[in-house]
Amino acid sequence: DAKTTQPPSMDCAEGRAANLPCNHSTISGNEYVYWYRQIHSQGPQYIIHGLKNNETNEMASLIITEDRKSSTLILPHATLRDTAVYYCIVSPSWGKLQFGAGTQVVVTP
Amino acid sequence: DAGVTQSPTHLIKTRGQQVTLRCSPKSGHDTVSWYQQALGQGPQFIFQYYEEEERQRGNFPDRFSGHQFPNYSSELNVNALLLGDSALYLCASSLLETDRSYEQYFGPGTRLTVT
Repeated sequence: DAKTTQPPSMDCAEGRAANLPCNHSTISGNEYVYWYRQIHSQGPQYIIHGLKNNETNEMASLIITEDRKSSTLILPHATLRDTAVYYCIVSPSWGKLQFGAGTQVVVTP
Repeated sequence: DAGVTQSPTHLIKTRGQQVTLRCSPKSGHDTVSWYQQALGQGPQFIFQYYEEEERQRGNFPDRFSGHQFPNYSSELNVNALLLGDSALYLCASSLLETDRSYEQYFGPGTRLTVT
């Protein structure tokens, strides 16, 4: 079973920030939090990952709580091309990715 | 720089038959992982190959087997196909034992239909 809990779906208006929550209360000390997304009919795409500190790259920001039991992926300015299923995954850096059902994000004009 | 490629794109097989799916990793990558994605679900890890050996395995029966070649490409074999094996099969590559081992690049997948 997946080690994370995500809402099944959420909507976001184009140009606004999208905040995607994820609970991972059983995360181990050596496990990272990864975010991937899957646009329809494509393979999953890596977005960002983190261990303890908040991270930011050209695609998104990742906020991890101090106790590491939850995190939030932030898409700062959502576009229609960000419509996808977003997966939050916890795993060691070299480990298998254990996908759950993810969150279906729909960005609307 | 070619990304991960998979062949064939689509495949239709009959129950009880055997199938082989192929994957070429992203240039420079040495590790290949295979995933099964049923309709409406997230991908499920099958196994991972590194240095031509199976390194990790998910909860899949022995009917699922694989191979990695010296050029790092990989095959996934499924014997005695069941209707439930119908799914999208995804290949992902990565570069192990580096500071970028966290990032897996996925191919577009092979859609297998078992009738």
